[in-house]
Amino acid sequence: EVQLVESGGGLVQPGGSLTLSCAATGFTLSDYGMNWVRQAPGKGLEWVSSFGGSGTTYYADSVKGRFIISRDNTKSTLSLQMNSLRAEDTATYYCAKEFGHGRPFDSWGQGTLVTVSS
Amino acid sequence: EIVLTQSPATLSLSPGERATLSCRASQSVTTYLAWYQQKPGQAPRLLIYDANNRATGIPARFSGSGSGTDFTLTISSLEPEDFAVYYCQQRSTWWTFGQGTKVEMK
Repeated sequence: EVQLVESGGGLVQPGGSLTLSCAATGFTLSDYGMNWVRQAPGKGLEWVSSFGGSGTTYYADSVKGRFIISRDNTKSTLSLQMNSLRAEDTATYYCAKEFGHGRPFDSWGQGTLVTVSS
Repeated sequence: EIVLTQSPATLSLSPGERATLSCRASQSVTTYLAWYQQKPGQAPRLLIYDANNRATGIPARFSGSGSGTDFTLTISSLEPEDFAVYYCQQRSTWWTFGQGTKVEMK
């Protein structure tokens, strides 16, 4: 059974940094594209970043230059390093697995809440 | 960037009624369009991919149609558990989501 479990969320001051992790079980992480998607309180879904099967990474314009996505195949973990955090980055962050490279997301974690506030 | 526009923002219906949700793309996405359902406090769930293919375990009352720029998600007869928010999604260079349609109980 595929499971994705996010961790690392919390309260951080504007300008601060935080690293989110997503522990993946039930499949081989390197065989699938993986993504981070966020949802601000009461708002819709916003794609944040992708780690493709070939190692190619993509970022939404809103986070480009501030966030870094990475993957550790040996630990089966996807990470999102978030720097220079802003109030508008406050959201629940979901880890999501593509059901094939470049395909929609068939498995999601439960999400981890990041709050950027002084 | 391809923009997805969903309509209506809110759909007020009763159990047993038919729900028709629309998603329009700012340029053609051929059939690379997916639909998700999200209930309060839960992660989204994939319903439909490639415009008209049901994901694993999705009931037959959910169906998708369309190609190019205009897409529709239809729920043939609403069950109580179908009241939720629905999002469409596409991928060109990167992923984008529509703003969502809330299906609420009348």
